[in-house]
Amino acid sequence: DAGVIQSPRHEVTEMGQEVTLRCKPISGHDYLFWYRQTMMRGLELLIYFNNNVPIDDSGMPEDRFSAKMPNASFSTLKIQPSEPRDSAVYFCASSPSSWKNYGYTFGSGTRLTVV
Amino acid sequence: SQQGEEDPQALSIQEGENATMNCSYKTSINNLQWYRQNSGRGLVHLILIRSNEREKHSGRLRVTLDTSKKSSSLLITASRAADTASYFCATDGGQNFVFGPGTRLSVLP
Repeated sequence: DAGVIQSPRHEVTEMGQEVTLRCKPISGHDYLFWYRQTMMRGLELLIYFNNNVPIDDSGMPEDRFSAKMPNASFSTLKIQPSEPRDSAVYFCASSPSSWKNYGYTFGSGTRLTVV
Repeated sequence: SQQGEEDPQALSIQEGENATMNCSYKTSINNLQWYRQNSGRGLVHLILIRSNEREKHSGRLRVTLDTSKKSSSLLITASRAADTASYFCATDGGQNFVFGPGTRLSVLP
């Protein structure tokens, strides 16, 4: 398996533009997590899905952020409109149903810069 | 929240020395994990220790867990320059794992 695949690796966009980050989890993993990492706040859980259903989105900072998982092999995180404070590295991670016993597999992340 | 807290925030050692990082947490846990993050990369799962375990080994890694003190330690023996990375502990907060702020380890050649 190629692991968790995220795209793009880097994204530079202007304030006010829409940004879409993509994630392909490991086949067979039931859980998918979106994290944001910054120097100031560390790793923050934004939202996670179980069997394509959003379970907890309490970490999504505001209505400008939305996430979808239309099928078991694809998820998107969208920011509209983007703001400079959204600049961060966004990680996607997946895990099997027994996540407590196996931990998470992370993608390489998308570094987002909003200017 | 259940967030673990790593200590120290940063650690610098010479190649060949041992590196010890600690993690403290506030409430009862089922499992605790350690992850490594190389610069510009995602986190990589290193080891998981369950609440009924006291010690686990994986290669040059040794993890201990003291549930009475609500703390865990990660020991890297005979460190190498390639061990330079940030190390995070993650505690299960019920619905998912919560990550601490990490320890930045620098291994100097």
